[in-house]
Amino acid sequence: GNSVTQMEGPVTLSEEAFLTINCTYTATGYPSLFWYVQYPGEGLQLLLKATKADDKGSNKGFEATYRKETTSFHLEKGSVQVSDSAVYFCALSDVDSNYQLIWGAGTKLIIKP
Amino acid sequence: NAGVTQTPKFQVLKTGQSMTLQCAQDMNHEYMSWYRQDPGMGLRLIHYSVGAGITDQGEVPNGYNVSRSTTEDFPLRLLSAAPSQTSVYFCASSYDRTLNTEAFFGQGTRLTVV
Repeated sequence: GNSVTQMEGPVTLSEEAFLTINCTYTATGYPSLFWYVQYPGEGLQLLLKATKADDKGSNKGFEATYRKETTSFHLEKGSVQVSDSAVYFCALSDVDSNYQLIWGAGTKLIIKP
Repeated sequence: NAGVTQTPKFQVLKTGQSMTLQCAQDMNHEYMSWYRQDPGMGLRLIHYSVGAGITDQGEVPNGYNVSRSTTEDFPLRLLSAAPSQTSVYFCASSYDRTLNTEAFFGQGTRLTVV
């Protein structure tokens, strides 16, 4: 079945450091891929998405490229800020899973000033 | 724009008690769902609804009931709370259920069963 695997956290970085959060997936079809972010005390909100191979999603300085050959959708940011501290979730939606979102376990990011 | 509103934000229950978690959305979304979030496990789907009067089970439905009498509201009922239901619960809605649809989430309900 479909699944999403994320790197375990927490990930602790200093302000202005480069960020990568790894996400790989298993899917039988051609899924859409998402990154959601959960700030402390809040619900999840969509950060970015990509709907087909080689698409790049971007928002708020974050980027992720849909790599079908490596079944990956790694999240990157060139210079993180304290305000980026949150939990980041990778997810996929696929016709074979009846369009239900399949979630990774989440990666907690801590940015120190 | 209120979006998705969940109440209460925090709740402590004794084993065996019942309660209803409320969820309302004002975006006229057809698709609504309930998730639970547990450490290291991501979000797991409890129940979902594709429109008023239609509900279905998700991945972990045992111990929970839902109903959808209106487009706006999708309450989650715990009939007899158990410690295993200690979790953070999120309600979400989306315009429809397709490959690219964005899900909108409430702020969550942190439930503790003692």
